[in-house]
Amino acid sequence: AQRVTQPEKLLSVFKGAPVELKCNYSYSGSPELFWYVQYSRQRLQLLLRHISRESIKGFTADLNKGETSFHLKKPFAQEEDSAMYYCALETGANNLFFGTGTRLTVIP
Amino acid sequence: NAGVTQTPKFRVLKTGQSMTLLCAQDMNHEYMYWYRQDPGMGLRLIHYSVGEGTTAKGEVPDGYNVSRLKKQNFLLGLESAAPSQTSVYFCASSSAGKVAEQFFGPGTRLTVL
Repeated sequence: AQRVTQPEKLLSVFKGAPVELKCNYSYSGSPELFWYVQYSRQRLQLLLRHISRESIKGFTADLNKGETSFHLKKPFAQEEDSAMYYCALETGANNLFFGTGTRLTVIP
Repeated sequence: NAGVTQTPKFRVLKTGQSMTLLCAQDMNHEYMYWYRQDPGMGLRLIHYSVGEGTTAKGEVPDGYNVSRLKKQNFLLGLESAAPSQTSVYFCASSSAGKVAEQFFGPGTRLTVL
């Protein structure tokens, strides 16, 4: 069965410090992984996807199939990065599996 | 365009009462989803639909029913509400073939006493 694990419920970093939000997955097929973000009083929205290898708002995420991980990273955290972050797995079954989420707080 | 809208925004029910949550989208998306969000549990899929007149069960379907009579609307029903159904409910939609690009509504906060 598929599973997405985000081990940290809460993560606090200082402004300007590097940030890494962890995501591990379990899936027997070929995974497609994504990060969604929910800023305060805003809707949940897609942040980035592994297949495009893009950098959005300074965030990157690399799929590591050996470690079954898809950690989200940013070298220098900004206050506006404070939000709830969800890792999500698509299995080709017409829906997404979301992790439990990590609330990131960037301390000024 | 309004995107995905949800009605109502807030609701308080007593145990055993019934209600229907309405989700509407104006993006002509084929797929629609209902999730619940609980602290420490993340987002869990309740039911989804891949087209008008079709529905399918998600991860936590028990206690809920859905209908998709029109392409733009997806209704979530609670026939006999229970305190365990206290949650924030999110609706989302996506194009067929773009399941990962889901557009979410603002959420409905439901409390069952």
